[in-house]
Amino acid sequence: EDQVTQSPEALRLQEGESSSLNCSYTVSGLRGLFWYRQDPGKGPEFLFTLYSAGEEKEKERLKATLTKKESFLHITAPKPEDSATYLCAVQAPQGAQKLVFGQGTRLTINP
Amino acid sequence: EPEVTQTPSHQVTQMGQEVILRCVPISNHLYFYWYRQILGQKVEFLVSFYNNEISEKSEIFDDQFSVERPDGSNFTLKIRSTKLEDSAMYFCASRKQGAGVFSYEQYFGPGTRLTVT
Repeated sequence: EDQVTQSPEALRLQEGESSSLNCSYTVSGLRGLFWYRQDPGKGPEFLFTLYSAGEEKEKERLKATLTKKESFLHITAPKPEDSATYLCAVQAPQGAQKLVFGQGTRLTINP
Repeated sequence: EPEVTQTPSHQVTQMGQEVILRCVPISNHLYFYWYRQILGQKVEFLVSFYNNEISEKSEIFDDQFSVERPDGSNFTLKIRSTKLEDSAMYFCASRKQGAGVFSYEQYFGPGTRLTVT
């Protein structure tokens, strides 16, 4: 069964303090790994798609990387507005439609 | 920028009542989805819809649930007889056609908070 595990569950940082969030996955035939941001009471907001091991994507203070077993979301010099829950999801073999989500990492950036 | 919209934002209903949650996917997208998120839990897949039929559904999506695309723009989720445990945020999502073996990202709406009393 496809599984996604994110760590840590919660992370509190000072503004400007860089860190990384982890997403470990087991899936047979990855078709895509997706990072989303979710603010309280809102829908997931798409951030990145990664398809192959070694791939990297960047957007402002965020950088996502992918290996064969895990993905990292690196946050460089975060600001309070980066506070949110970050979700990782995988899409499994061809023909399957669903995204399988991890439980998320709740990130708090203190000013 | 195109976005997925959902109505209502909050629905309160009594146990046993029928509810219909509505979604307008992004206009050039071909795949449509419903997910739900019980408070404090993971986002869970319910159903996917393509070419006017269900393409995949989860164990949660039993006979009490149905989906419909009644016209060219709307996509609905109906729960026939709501239970207390149906209380959750329900998210609609849509995506473009995939490119070969790869799949494009799904874009989510803001959600409908369903409260069953």
